[in-house]
Amino acid sequence: GAGVSQSPSNKVTEKGKDVELRCDPISGHTALYWYRQSLGQGLEFLIYFQGNSAPDKSGLPSDRFSAERTGGSVSTLTIQRTQQEDSAVYLCASSPRGEGNTEAFFGQGTRLTVV
Amino acid sequence: SQQGEEDPQALSIQEGENATMNCSYKTSINNLQWYRQNSGRGLVHLILIRSNEREKHSGRLRVTLDTSKKSSSLLITASRAADTASYFCATAGVQGGKLIFGQGTELSVKP
Repeated sequence: GAGVSQSPSNKVTEKGKDVELRCDPISGHTALYWYRQSLGQGLEFLIYFQGNSAPDKSGLPSDRFSAERTGGSVSTLTIQRTQQEDSAVYLCASSPRGEGNTEAFFGQGTRLTVV
Repeated sequence: SQQGEEDPQALSIQEGENATMNCSYKTSINNLQWYRQNSGRGLVHLILIRSNEREKHSGRLRVTLDTSKKSSSLLITASRAADTASYFCATAGVQGGKLIFGQGTELSVKP
């Protein structure tokens, strides 16, 4: 079956603009994660959705960042008023059950460049 | 903040040698997972070890977990050039479901 799909693959935006990044998880997966990875760095946790529970937003770096997950499926990460330091690869992952008990399946990421 | 810290940051070996990467973490965990990343994009899951397990094998991979020392190691035996990648550990806490990743080890296997 299809894996985790992220769009767009690449996004170049001007400083100050808003951007939306999309993630289509594997069908039936209840858990969904967003991470950010700067060049040569590890994965920075942003937000975690698990079923109908309130999302864990503890990793969002500022109030310019928000995410939603509609119908327990597709998720959108929105960055408002983008800054150059927002440039990174944004990775989405899903897993069949929450609580980190199973492996996470990753998408190929969206490379965001803020100019 | 990051849960896992990995060392070494970079490792360069010859084909056929073994590669060992280490991961340390700070708080109690439900399980620890290892992932591989090629070319800075999507990660691929390699192996999961639960907090009540001490060692696990999968093909050429061997993972150990020492919860008293809050550390884990990943051993790749008989390495191949195709093993060249970045390797990350990730921990799932006892309380919460999110996976927290370390900074990774960049492995280079020279033919």
